[in-house]
Amino acid sequence: SYELTQPPSVSVSPGQTARITCSGNALPKQYAYWYQQKPGQAPFVVIYNDSERPSGIPERFSGSISGTTVTLTISGVQAEDEGDYYCHSTDSTGTYWVFGGGTKLTVL
Amino acid sequence: EVQLVQSGSEVKKPGESLKISCKISGYSFTNYWIAWVRQMPGKGLEWMGIIYPGESDIIYSPSFQGQVTISADNSISTAYLRWRSLKASDTAMYYCARRHESSGYYVDYWGQGTLVTVSS
Repeated sequence: SYELTQPPSVSVSPGQTARITCSGNALPKQYAYWYQQKPGQAPFVVIYNDSERPSGIPERFSGSISGTTVTLTISGVQAEDEGDYYCHSTDSTGTYWVFGGGTKLTVL
Repeated sequence: EVQLVQSGSEVKKPGESLKISCKISGYSFTNYWIAWVRQMPGKGLEWMGIIYPGESDIIYSPSFQGQVTISADNSISTAYLRWRSLKASDTAMYYCARRHESSGYYVDYWGQGTLVTVSS
């Protein structure tokens, strides 16, 4: 079955740039989405269509794609950005959803 | 205002059946796909399946096919997730989630989650 691979954890100091990657063979063909989740809360989208930012999401959140890897970049990380981040996409047919394993972002 | 309101927490024994619900308001229920997502304790998100209430079209994740049943009642704008025989490994938080239908097929609204605990 199709999988999306994320690093389990990323740690940065406040004000630095955090980069979280997500790799999958179908990513050049299917859009990727990124969600943030904090303990005890439902996730919410921070990036859609690889690099689009929903209204209300701070400009420090951005997304990009290179080959089979999409990257969520958080510039000037703030303490409030700490949480779990999940990438989401579909298989090459666009039928089956898949989530990455999640990356825990720690702000030191 | 779009809302997905899920049924309350459940504590069940292995072998029991269960049906949890996701009540939609604020938009036309039949025009959007609704997905179910599992999150086991301390773990990541897992897609279980998705339903399009307008046509009763259902797609299951191969990992959950045969393990659960997804359905919807259009008359009361509610989606359901059902188990015939629960296992301890079904203990998890379950989210319903609406798929955005233009400029990207991401989840734009989530339910608050239903915690299911299966223990003898």
